[in-house]
Amino acid sequence: SQTIHQWPATLVQPVGSPLSLECTVEGTSNPNLYWYRQAAGRGLQLLFYSVGIGQISSEVPQNLSASRPQDRQFILSSKKLLLSDSGFYLCAHTSGGAVDTQYFGPGTRLTVL
Amino acid sequence: DQQVKQNSPSLSVQEGRISILNCDYTNSMFDYFLWYKKYPAEGPTFLISISSIKDKNEDGRFTVFLNKSAKHLSLHIVPSQPGDSAVYFCAASALNQGAQKLVFGQGTRLTINP
Repeated sequence: SQTIHQWPATLVQPVGSPLSLECTVEGTSNPNLYWYRQAAGRGLQLLFYSVGIGQISSEVPQNLSASRPQDRQFILSSKKLLLSDSGFYLCAHTSGGAVDTQYFGPGTRLTVL
Repeated sequence: DQQVKQNSPSLSVQEGRISILNCDYTNSMFDYFLWYKKYPAEGPTFLISISSIKDKNEDGRFTVFLNKSAKHLSLHIVPSQPGDSAVYFCAASALNQGAQKLVFGQGTRLTINP
């Protein structure tokens, strides 16, 4: 069965500090990978997605970047965090295809102070 | 431009009765629709989905209805149980550049009262 991991689970960072969140998937090959953010009281907003190693598509201009160094690893980064980067970050995966279900990881709660 | 809308931020239902959560969308290119359940500080859990070629899909206590002409879908939970209390998100999907991209509604907080 497929499993998706995210770490850390919670993170408190000062404004201007760097960020690195990691997501890994087990039990599947060549998944499509996604990063979402849920701001307080809001729905989920798609930030980045990747259909393969080294391929990143960005959905919204922002202070964040993503990378996919390995098939089942997806990293969300920032060089300098802003207060507005606070939120709940979720990684998701599918096995690809036109009709497929995205499965989510447990999430990382980021608080920028 | 909010392509997927859940107009009810909250819903309260008595245990044993039917819960009906609604969702509207604007983009006719969406071809796959999903419902997720989310508890605080956890990732969303997939509940049920429906393809645009169908108008109903049932899985146990959960049934999703799709009305393409009205661009409306709904999730029925019957009978409702206390463990169903959570935030429910509907999502609509369109395939773009080899990746399925989901657009989520804002969520509806469902509370089941004993």
